[in-house]
Amino acid sequence: AQTVTQSQPEMSVQEAETVTLSCTYDTSESNYYLFWYKQPPSRQMILVIRQEAYKQQNATENRFSVNFQKAAKSFSLKISDSQLGDTAMYFCAFMSRNSGNTPLVFGKGTRLSVIA
Amino acid sequence: EPEVTQTPSHQVTQMGQEVILRCVPISNHLYFYWYRQILGQKVEFLVSFYNNEISEKSEIFDDQFSVERPDGSNFTLKIRSTKLEDSAMYFCASSETGQGLGEAFFGQGTRLTVV
Repeated sequence: AQTVTQSQPEMSVQEAETVTLSCTYDTSESNYYLFWYKQPPSRQMILVIRQEAYKQQNATENRFSVNFQKAAKSFSLKISDSQLGDTAMYFCAFMSRNSGNTPLVFGKGTRLSVIA
Repeated sequence: EPEVTQTPSHQVTQMGQEVILRCVPISNHLYFYWYRQILGQKVEFLVSFYNNEISEKSEIFDDQFSVERPDGSNFTLKIRSTKLEDSAMYFCASSETGQGLGEAFFGQGTRLTVV
């Protein structure tokens, strides 16, 4: 069974600074997806970034980028130029690529606070 | 922008009562999911639904739980005879082509409190 571990329950960062959220996972599979989801207070969980395990290049989406280390089973999220609107719970998630409808396996989440 | 909506946002129920949590997925989506998060714990998969039937379910999703798509727009999760340990945030999600091939869109969640 796959597991996802987020070791930082809470983090804070000053506005305009950079922060990195950690995620490690455990799987015996070689073909999978990794995701970071963001859930602002009282709002929907939305996809921030997705990484396909067969791609060596790290995914980037504007100020969000990942450091994907497949051998180490590590998938950290870097947020550059942090903004107040980045304050949210961030979830790391794993999904097997064996079919299109397998469940997401989530970590416990990291609560990020961006401070003005 | 289309979104998944869940009602109610917060439900309080007596232990032993039945509750129905409602979700309206995005209209052209074909895959539907329920997840839950007990306070301080991980978000856990409950069930996936496609083509009007359950496609996968977790160990958590026992006979106490059921899902239904009664009218082509709503997607409901029914919990019979609720227990204290059912208290959690319940998330509905939908996707057009499956969670990996396409993005899964989540609702804002229903917080269920069993007293």
